[in-house]
Amino acid sequence: KAGVTQTPRYLIKTRGQQVTLSCSPISGHRSVSWYQQTPGQGLQFLFEYFSETQRNKGNFPGRFSGRQFSNSRSEMNVSTLELGDSALYLCASSYTTGMETQYFGPGTRLLVL
Amino acid sequence: QKEVEQDPGPLSVPEGAIVSLNCTYSNSAFQYFMWYRQYSRKGPELLMYTYSSGNKEDGRFTAQVDKSSKYISLFIRDSQPSDSATYLCAMSGIQGAQKLVFGQGTRLTINP
Repeated sequence: KAGVTQTPRYLIKTRGQQVTLSCSPISGHRSVSWYQQTPGQGLQFLFEYFSETQRNKGNFPGRFSGRQFSNSRSEMNVSTLELGDSALYLCASSYTTGMETQYFGPGTRLLVL
Repeated sequence: QKEVEQDPGPLSVPEGAIVSLNCTYSNSAFQYFMWYRQYSRKGPELLMYTYSSGNKEDGRFTAQVDKSSKYISLFIRDSQPSDSATYLCAMSGIQGAQKLVFGQGTRLTINP
């Protein structure tokens, strides 16, 4: 079974731009969670989508948003990029919401200049 | 103060040694406890998952949870160079269980 895939793997943007990252969960998995990983703050939860609905949200500004499609694929969008948004963005999928084992993708490394 | 505290290391031990990794936490609502391993430029990989207090063993890995002390541990026996990675503890509560709260991660190097 293929794992979680994320595209693109690397991205360079400039301040003020917006960016969209994509995540394809493991086949059959319906929950997708997004995390931001930085050297200073570590791994932080952004939000979770299940059945096309946002179920949980972390403490990030409204510039960070996401959505999930009917095939469970998910996208996250960051508008008005700031230098501090440079990070590894990780997507994790699980079969359902609630306490389920989460499987992580390789991440998208975003650099904001 | 962070909800989950983990010594970032780095930790360097000789091959074959027993490795002990630890996390403390402050939120008594945490019920699920996990250890992830992350190699450089890869996503985290789930190693161990424990519900509530107790021990769990899987091969060379043992996870311990002491909820009374708000302290969790991961032991690696007969450590191998391939165990060199960053180890992250993570935990969540029953409410919003998909929201994992991670420790900072401990960078571990096993020297041949």
